[in-house]
This record gives sequence, structure tokens and C-alpha cells, in this order.
Amino acid sequence: DIQMTQSPPTLSASVGDRVTITCRASQSITTRLAWYQQKPGKAPKLLIYKASSLEGGVPSRFSGSGSGTEFTLTISSLQPDDLATYFCLQYDSYSPEFTFGGGTKVEIK
Amino acid sequence: QVQLVQSGAEVRKPGSSVKVSCRASAGTFSNYVISWVRQAPGQGLEWMGGIMPLSGTVNYAQKFQDRVTISADESTSTAYVDLRGLTSEDTALYFCARSPPQCTTISCYARLHYWGQGTQVIVST
Repeated sequence: DIQMTQSPPTLSASVGDRVTITCRASQSITTRLAWYQQKPGKAPKLLIYKASSLEGGVPSRFSGSGSGTEFTLTISSLQPDDLATYFCLQYDSYSPEFTFGGGTKVEIK
Repeated sequence: QVQLVQSGAEVRKPGSSVKVSCRASAGTFSNYVISWVRQAPGQGLEWMGGIMPLSGTVNYAQKFQDRVTISADESTSTAYVDLRGLTSEDTALYFCARSPPQCTTISCYARLHYWGQGTQVIVST
């Protein structure tokens, strides 16, 4: 099974800061990775799919990059509305297995 | 606007089963795929499996392979997850989610654009 290691577990930053969250896969997943945002008490929201494609309706301050085993989600200028937990999701279409990372809780300083 | 409306909260005893439904309010039912994802209290997200109504293909996470059934009724635009052999570890919020229209391949199980409101399942004696 492919394991996903997400870091950091928590992150505290100020409004306007550039924020980066990382997911590492235990083996290459090419670009088979998505990023989700989950606010307290709500269902997750898709931000990025195929590692770097921005889902429709998602603000352009969110971006994804990476391939193989290392991936990043970047928020270019943190906004108060970005207070949430962020999860990566890898998908092995062959098995198929879909594995979420452990999550990164983003707090506003 | 697409909405996924899930059935209400359930309380079950250990060893029993639960069936959660998810009705789509709009869109051609076979034009997308549906995943079921759960979240235990204070924990992360876990993909349980999914269904591609267009082909009738169902896929399950290995962890749940032996005790979960995912199905769909196109006539009512409703998907279901049926989980058997419940233990306290199955206490969680269960979500259905679907891909955007025209996204019907297996990778679309991960491109979940629309989500239900979640169904709380509590397993307790």
C-alpha cells in the first residue's frame, strides 16, 4: 500500500503570509494527487486535482505542484477564510486505492 | 445547483449493519462517479469505495472489502453504502461525494466536487 506523509501537522501563520504544505508518497504516484480543504463541521472541498490543476471556483491564491513522491500545496497570501485543515489524497487507479494524508491544520496568528 | 442529500443519523449495536443513502438532486446520474468517505471523531478522512453508475463498476478499499456494499439506483438518483459487522471503530461521519459531470474514469473517485452533508453513525451498546 502507498503511504502518504503530510507535514506539518499544524501551521500558524499571519494573514498575507505564503503558506506551504507538503505531502510525500512512499512510492511514485506520478501526478495522481488531489488537495482538499475542510473547515470545522463541514464537508471537505476540492481545491486541486492531478497535482496542479485548480478546481473550478477555487481562488487563484491556491496552487499545487510536484510529481513522483513529493507534492506541495501553496497558499500565496493567507486569508482569514483559509482557516481549515488541509488533506492530500493520492489515488492509485490500478489497485484501486485512495489514501488521504494525515492533514495539516492551518491557524491564523 | 447539484445537491447530495444524505439520510439521517443512525445508532447501531455492535455486530449489526447500517445502510446510508445519498440522493442527487440534479444532473444525469450516470454522468459521474460517487465515492464514500468517512471521518471518525477528531480524525482524518478515509476512502471506503466508490461506484461508476455508467458502467455499474464498484470499487472498494481493501480494508472494507469483506463487509461493505456500495450500490446505486438510477431511477431515484440514489447511492447507498451498506456496512456490516459494525464495531465501535465504525463510529464516524459518513460522506458521499461525486465528481464533476463527464468525469467518469476511476481517477475521478478522487476528484470530488460535490459533497453530501454527512451522516453520523454511532455504534454503541
